[in-house]
Amino acid sequence: DSGVTQTPKHLITATGQRVTLRCSPRSGDLSVYWYQQSLDQGLQFLIQYYNGEERAKGNILERFSAQQFPDLHSELNLSSLELGDSALYFCASSVDGQAVYEQYFGPGTRLTVT
Amino acid sequence: AQSVTQLDSQVPVFEEAPVELRCNYSSSVSVYLFWYVQYPNQGLQLLLKYLSGSTLVKGINGFEAEFNKSQTSFHLRKPSVHISDTAEYFCAVSGTDSWGKLQFGAGTQVVVTP
Repeated sequence: DSGVTQTPKHLITATGQRVTLRCSPRSGDLSVYWYQQSLDQGLQFLIQYYNGEERAKGNILERFSAQQFPDLHSELNLSSLELGDSALYFCASSVDGQAVYEQYFGPGTRLTVT
Repeated sequence: AQSVTQLDSQVPVFEEAPVELRCNYSSSVSVYLFWYVQYPNQGLQLLLKYLSGSTLVKGINGFEAEFNKSQTSFHLRKPSVHISDTAEYFCAVSGTDSWGKLQFGAGTQVVVTP
C-alpha cells in the first residue's frame, strides 16, 4: 500500500459525459501528479501540482482539467468524453515537486467510456 | 525533452534464470533515471533510481541497474528470478531541470515460468 488513495476504482460512463477522479496523496506529500495509461499511448504524464499550484503540464487535452485543493487532495476532471479516453488514470504523490523525490503511485481509476 | 526506448516488449524467462531488461534514453540535459514495476491490477512501485554518483544502482527485490552515460542506457538486471517477478517493468527518465515530470518507456512484460 503506497498510501495514495484514488476514487473511484472503476468508472463506466457514456461518450459526451463528464467525470471527476479524486486523489488523496500520502500524508505530508505536497506534490501530486496525474498519469494516463492506455494500450495505444502507454503511460503518459498529464499534469503536476505542488502545494496547490500547477507546476508542469504534459500531454493533457483541453477537455481535461485538474486542481489541487488546500487540503492537498487533487481532482482530475474529464469532460466531453470520447471512446479514446478509456484508460487507467494514476495519481502519484511525492514529498516535494523535484524529480529527485520518489513518486508513490495510487492503485488507479479505470475509466471505461462506452 | 526526454524520450525512453525499452527495447523488448516481452521477455520470457525461466525461474532462477537471470534476466536483463534494456532501456535507452535520449535527452539534451542531464537526467535522473528510474525503473518501476507494475504487478497485475496494481499501481507502479519504484524498484530503483539513479540520481548521481555510482553508476551501479541496487534496488529492491534483488534488482540492480547500470547507468551508462556514453551509451545512454540504463539496463535492469536480476541474477535469479522468481515466479513473483512476473510483472510489467517501466523505465522512466526525468530531466534534472524539469520538476518531477516522468517520461516512461513502453514497458517490458516479464513472464517467469517454472
